[in-house]
Amino acid sequence: AQSVTQPDIHITVSEGASLELRCNYSYGATPYLFWYVQSPGQGLQLLLKYFSGDTLVQGIKGFEAEFKRSQSSFNLRKPSVHWSDAAEYFCAVDGGSQGNLIFGKGTKLSVKP
Amino acid sequence: DTAVSQTPKYLVTQMGNDKSIKCEQNLGHDTMYWYKQDSKKFLKIMFSYNNKELIINETVPNRFSPKSPDKAHLNLHINSLELGDSAVYFCASRGRRQETQYFGPGTRLLVL
Repeated sequence: AQSVTQPDIHITVSEGASLELRCNYSYGATPYLFWYVQSPGQGLQLLLKYFSGDTLVQGIKGFEAEFKRSQSSFNLRKPSVHWSDAAEYFCAVDGGSQGNLIFGKGTKLSVKP
Repeated sequence: DTAVSQTPKYLVTQMGNDKSIKCEQNLGHDTMYWYKQDSKKFLKIMFSYNNKELIINETVPNRFSPKSPDKAHLNLHINSLELGDSAVYFCASRGRRQETQYFGPGTRLLVL
């Protein structure tokens, strides 16, 4: 069965520091992968997605992610974190023919001034 | 214009009551979903509709009944609410398989 693992429950970084959020997936075929962000009390906003092609994907707000098939990973990165990036981040994989998303448990990002 | 909207945004009710949450999308998408986010922020699919037909029905109590009057609407009716139903419920919609799934703002349900 498909699954997504986000090994880090909570990460704290200093403003201006670089960020990497980890995501590992389990999927039989080529996965469709997504990163969503949820600010406190808000809905889910898509940061970026990978379907095929270039394994380095650029998203909104300066985020990027790299698909590594050999490691079953799709880690999210940002070179310099801003205080407004504090939020919950979810990695997800397309669950199959019905297209529902299977989410990881999320990583909460805190940003220190 | 809001792509996926949900009403109400907040819902506080007593145990045993029946309530409905409405969802509308103006994106022309064929597929709509309901997800539940529990108190630990875990998101899980509940239902999926494609062109008004139920496609996915996960192991959700039959107190939950989705209804899709047309392609643009997917409502969620919950009977006999229980404390454990307290959660955030998200509606989402999608066009073709490789397109982005858009989420509504969520409905925060609190059962007392």
